[in-house]
Amino acid sequence: QSALTQPASVSGSPGQSITISCTGTSSDVGNYNLVSWYQQHPGKAPKLMIYEVAKRPSGVSNRFSGSKSGNTASLTISGLQAEDEADYYCYSYVGSSAFYVFGTGTKVTVL
Amino acid sequence: QLQLQESGPGLVKPSETLSLTCTVSGGSISTYSYYWGWIRQPPGKGLEWIGNVYFSGSTNYNPSLKSRVIISVDTSKNQFSLKLRSVTATDTALYYCARHVGESHAFEMWGQGTMVNVSP
Repeated sequence: QSALTQPASVSGSPGQSITISCTGTSSDVGNYNLVSWYQQHPGKAPKLMIYEVAKRPSGVSNRFSGSKSGNTASLTISGLQAEDEADYYCYSYVGSSAFYVFGTGTKVTVL
Repeated sequence: QLQLQESGPGLVKPSETLSLTCTVSGGSISTYSYYWGWIRQPPGKGLEWIGNVYFSGSTNYNPSLKSRVIISVDTSKNQFSLKLRSVTATDTALYYCARHVGESHAFEMWGQGTMVNVSP
C-alpha cells in the first residue's frame, strides 16, 4: 500500500482560501468515507483537524473544511492566517489488508 | 484531560530491538471503541502508521513492518507498548503514540513523541 498522494507545497496570502488534495484509488479513499486530516507545526505533535472526510472536532476553527470527490479527498482552509502555516497530512482506512495509510504531506506557506 | 506519554531508550544499536511504552493518564485504556496506536516520523519526512492495539489485545499492523513489530497492551498499568526488532538506521525516527477512535478511524489525541536513534 503506497502513501496517499498530496502536493508537496501549497501557498496563499492571508485571507485567501487554499485547498490541499489527497489522492488515492477506488480501493481506498474512493471506497471509504474515513479520511482524516492532521495539522503539524514544527516540533509539535500532529493535531486532528477533520475526520470522516468532513467532520470537525470540537475546538477546530470552521475555517477548516473537508470534502471528497471520487478517489480524491480535499482539505480547504478559508481566510488563511499566519498560524495556519504548517504541514498537513491526510490519513485513511484502506481496507483489511493494509488497514491505514498516511498521505505524503503538504507544507502550507502563508505569504 | 487524557494524556499520552511515550518513554524508552533514545538510542538503539543496529540489529537490536527498539522498545517503547506509552502511558495513558486521565482516562482508561480499557474503553470501548478506542484503539491505541503507534506512528513514526523520520527526521524531515512524513508520518508512517505502525499499528494499533485494542484493550482486548487485538492488533492491526502496517504490512511493511508486520514481520518485525509487536504491539501489546497492559491494562493493569494503563500502558501499551511497541517492540520493533532487527532495527536499522532507517528506523531512526520520532515515535508517537496516539488514541485512535474506532468509529471514525482517526487519531484524536497524540503524545508529544520520543526520538529514537539507531546507531552503533
